[in-house]
Amino acid sequence: AQSVTQLGSHVSVSEGALVLLRCNYSSSVPPYLFWYVQYPNQGLQLLLKYTSAATLVKGINGFEAEFKKSETSFHLTKPSAHMSDAAEYFCAVTGGGSNYKLTFGKGTLLTVNP
Amino acid sequence: ETGVTQSPTHLIKTRGQQVTLRCSSQSGHNTVSWYQQALGQGPQFIFQYYREEENGRGNFPPRFSGLQFPNYSSELNVNALELDDSALYLCASSTDVAGGIGEQFFGPGTRLTVL
Repeated sequence: AQSVTQLGSHVSVSEGALVLLRCNYSSSVPPYLFWYVQYPNQGLQLLLKYTSAATLVKGINGFEAEFKKSETSFHLTKPSAHMSDAAEYFCAVTGGGSNYKLTFGKGTLLTVNP
Repeated sequence: ETGVTQSPTHLIKTRGQQVTLRCSSQSGHNTVSWYQQALGQGPQFIFQYYREEENGRGNFPPRFSGLQFPNYSSELNVNALELDDSALYLCASSTDVAGGIGEQFFGPGTRLTVL
């Protein structure tokens, strides 16, 4: 079984500041991990994914995440926030297998202040 | 290449009614997964269809059912609607890759309101 905990339901940063969104996972098998972004009234867009290759994963829009097995974490970062980054971010985990069911965290709402 | 589409975009029903939501998968994809996203929550896995067969189910009662058609489009049916069924319903399509099923591409969702 898998689960995800996202620490902080709401994160607020200033434009140009570092973005750090936290995700810890639990998995009984080697995990595949994902970060998705959701803009208001839209579906989910994949930002990046970890599938057991490099532990530092680079995604779209300048985001990256580092898989740390010892800490069971997969935190999302971006060096410099932009107003357009304001959205809801979801971390998700799957154990792979034949049905690739995604288990999501509750999400973190990112607000970017001018 | 056409992405994942869902219809309708919004729907209002009353308690006890039945509803059908539709999803057209991305071209070349043979797998459709359905998720329920309640307000302020992350999406929860309902079930998945792979080549017209159910291929995994989450913790949802039998009144949630689905179909996948030969063209790999899919329907989600919910009977005896309850107020708690009010949510955004997301469909995601994917296809086979070596060792499993590939990346899931999400549609924009159907917003269901049950009164």
